[in-house]
Amino acid sequence: QSVLTQPPSVSAAPGQKVTISCSGSSSNIEHNYVSWYQQVPGTAPKPLIYENNKRPSGIPDRFSGSKSGTSATLGITGLQTADEADYYCGTWDTSLSTGVFGGGTKLTVL
Amino acid sequence: QVQLVQSGAEMKRPGASVKVSCKASGYTFTSYGISWVRQAPGQGLEWMGWISVYNGNTNYAQNLQGRVTMTTDTSTSTAYMELRSLRSDDTAVYYCARADISMITFGGVVVPRLNWFDPWGQGTLVTVSS
Repeated sequence: QSVLTQPPSVSAAPGQKVTISCSGSSSNIEHNYVSWYQQVPGTAPKPLIYENNKRPSGIPDRFSGSKSGTSATLGITGLQTADEADYYCGTWDTSLSTGVFGGGTKLTVL
Repeated sequence: QVQLVQSGAEMKRPGASVKVSCKASGYTFTSYGISWVRQAPGQGLEWMGWISVYNGNTNYAQNLQGRVTMTTDTSTSTAYMELRSLRSDDTAVYYCARADISMITFGGVVVPRLNWFDPWGQGTLVTVSS
């Protein structure tokens, strides 16, 4: 059971928009930065969003992040088949003094 | 470019130990932490712990306390993760990742906080089987 809760799967058609939610608590998401990672099966996770809503160099602005209270959201617009992957949210849990991840969300681009 | 390169796949018997290395390049090694994350087959990411390269302080996930040790060698910019008393459920891909750190005040004490992980190593498959 992950500390952060994500939907197991989401799907949308090419060109459409999708959002992935990440729910936590006051000891993790609410008072710490949230980051998002994309993982294509068989490869290492790749950061998409850091510090709630910032994109690392090279990440297109189709990817966006937001946070409100104890929840965070990853948004992807203009879906492409190449976006099919697993997506994970992550943050720090201040009470546990540990890093925590969500269980992951599998994105299918129909 | 900033890069982490890990050692190769390992196959171990139950009860044995494994030590995975992670060589960093392209940045000042002591300015970041190194975190270790594992992923069992078909499962999600599990945070294992981290080490401050600057002062060697470590913090491990509770479920691994007593079995895991993380170290660094600043002369070669290499981090290591040793896991002992291996069990079949330790079979996983093990990743190292550079950790961005900030200091926060919690309960009146200044403590480190990991913000995000970038880049990640390519992963090391550790298989535990009799």
